[in-house]
Amino acid sequence: DAKTTQPNSMESNEEEPVHLPCNHSTISGTDYIHWYRQLPSQGPEYVIHGLTSNVNNRMASLAIAEDRKSSTLILHRATLRDAAVYYCILFYNQGGKLIFGQGTELSVKP
Amino acid sequence: EAGVAQSPRYKIIEKRQSVAFWCNPISGHATLYWYQQILGQGPKLLIQFQNNGVVDDSQLPKDRFSAERLKGVDSTLKIQPAKLEDSAVYLCASSPLRLAGANEQFFGPGTRLTVL
Repeated sequence: DAKTTQPNSMESNEEEPVHLPCNHSTISGTDYIHWYRQLPSQGPEYVIHGLTSNVNNRMASLAIAEDRKSSTLILHRATLRDAAVYYCILFYNQGGKLIFGQGTELSVKP
Repeated sequence: EAGVAQSPRYKIIEKRQSVAFWCNPISGHATLYWYQQILGQGPKLLIQFQNNGVVDDSQLPKDRFSAERLKGVDSTLKIQPAKLEDSAVYLCASSPLRLAGANEQFFGPGTRLTVL
């Protein structure tokens, strides 16, 4: 299973954009890039996913490098409620499973 | 729509005792997952069901852990006998059958198990 590398922790100020990086240099052509987040004392929550093109939804944007070896989750305006552990996961297209790493712990300062 | 339900939310047992966790997935979701999350780590998949069949149980310690999903709806995960290292949060998740790659999983709140 392809691996991802994320910073252990990041800090952000409230109402500012946040860019969460993820490296996945061994990604294969059939791997989707998924992002989940886990708020304190809750189960993980799906955020967004993509294959090659940048993606937007109501929660965030996902920017994928042209060579697909890295991606960035963008929270356009961080709120205190966005403080969580963010997981970048490669999902193998055919029958694969989510393999969670350590993730990035995001703290948001008022 | 109602989310994934799990019970109990908390459980404290002595080592060598048995324990069971219950999960009711979102209605209509064909795939159900059980994860183990040890403090400070990401969740680890234990077992995946599609309807009532096992798709992947490669990470399930089968000497002490068992799981079933009768009738393809709710599921039970059992540990017998429990060890100290089984202390963790046990998460249940479900997902509908969708286009390949769009495997959005919906997680329940988890059951926090403490083994003394």
